[in-house]
Amino acid sequence: KAGVTQTPRYLIKTRGQQVTLSCSPISGHRSVSWYQQTPGQGLQFLFEYFSETQRNKGNFPGRFSGRQFSNSRSEMNVSTLELGDSALYLCASSLGGGGSYNEQFFGPGTRLTVL
Amino acid sequence: AQKITQTQPGMFVQEKEAVTLDCTYDTSDPSYGLFWYKQPSSGEMIFLIYQGSYDQQNATEGRYSLNFQKARKSANLVISASQLGDSAMYFCAMREARGAQKLVFGQGTRLTINP
Repeated sequence: KAGVTQTPRYLIKTRGQQVTLSCSPISGHRSVSWYQQTPGQGLQFLFEYFSETQRNKGNFPGRFSGRQFSNSRSEMNVSTLELGDSALYLCASSLGGGGSYNEQFFGPGTRLTVL
Repeated sequence: AQKITQTQPGMFVQEKEAVTLDCTYDTSDPSYGLFWYKQPSSGEMIFLIYQGSYDQQNATEGRYSLNFQKARKSANLVISASQLGDSAMYFCAMREARGAQKLVFGQGTRLTINP
């Protein structure tokens, strides 16, 4: 079974630009979550999509948005990039059922550098 | 609000020794799950072990075990017979049952295994 894939793996942008990152979950998984990892703030939850609907959202500005397609693939978009958006963006997929246990499988991440 | 605290920024251990990584948590949800992840320098998050709040026994997975002390709100990871390949960042995380797929992470502990 193929794992979670994220594209691109590396990205360099300049301030003010926008960027779109893609995540393909494990086949059969309906939930996709996004996390931002920076040295200063650590790992922070961005949002989660389940069956094409945003189910949960972290405390990030509206410049960060996402969507999920009918095949469960997800994209996240960051508009008007700032230097502080430089981070490793991790995507995780899971079956998405209720309860506290639902193992999340992480992708390799997209490393975004904003110049 | 849910919170995870890892108080050891870095640890150095001799190969083949056992090591304990500390994790304390806070939540008001009686149903929650605790996770440990390993993050090598490549960036991918690797799931190690899970403990549910209602589980009576401590979780074990091969060389990994979780020392769960519910009254103290601690969930320490124990790695027995450490290996050079165990050198990585280790993150403790929690999901509340009511929080969909949102994981809250601690700041992590960088573990270095010396030969």
